[in-house]
Amino acid sequence: QKEVEQNSGPLSVPEGAIASLNCTYSDRVSQSFFWYRQYSGKSPELIMSIYSNGDKEDGRFTAQLNKASQYVSLLIRDSQPSDSATYLCAVNYRGYQKVTFGTGTKLQVIP
Amino acid sequence: DAGVIQSPRHEVTEMGQEVTLRCKPISGHNSLFWYRQTMMRGLELLIYFNNNVPIDDSGMPEDRFSAKMPNASFSTLKIQPSEPRDSAVYFCASRAGRAGQGAFGPGTRLTVT
Repeated sequence: QKEVEQNSGPLSVPEGAIASLNCTYSDRVSQSFFWYRQYSGKSPELIMSIYSNGDKEDGRFTAQLNKASQYVSLLIRDSQPSDSATYLCAVNYRGYQKVTFGTGTKLQVIP
Repeated sequence: DAGVIQSPRHEVTEMGQEVTLRCKPISGHNSLFWYRQTMMRGLELLIYFNNNVPIDDSGMPEDRFSAKMPNASFSTLKIQPSEPRDSAVYFCASRAGRAGQGAFGPGTRLTVT
């Protein structure tokens, strides 16, 4: 079983809708969770980080963490065509400096 | 802040040749990471350094790969000899402190023919 799992997609949503991206991880002693956005041909850029159970909102983005279920999600409200990208989930395990990435979910926002 | 700088941005080489990728981290960042990204395997951590010291190189695929960080402002990833299966985008990332996110460089797209 992979440490961090994501559905590869593509996930297609119409412009203005809510996009929901999901990620599961395999270890309960994980500490920090991140969502990166990667446009085609570009490097990953951090868009959200979350460290405790519950929701964290930043503009149109909301990260949700449920450590009991080993589940983290990213909601994008009012999706725009410019949100079309691959979204990478990443987990930082306690005691380790390195961050483990999922393989990413490709999001397509249809105008 | 110039961000993480990588060179070259693109590299095309023939199988068996030596390849050296270079990275300049953000000034003041004390952790440096080398990643490889392919369609099949996603983003994989190869090695990371903390205060110029290699901490975990368990992701380095084989002995053909080596990495150095002679000082706080420079790191290299070398592949010798290169093989077609090494074709990928190689990212360098740097970070301040012991936890949290880092900033990625623009990447080096390596093609080995």
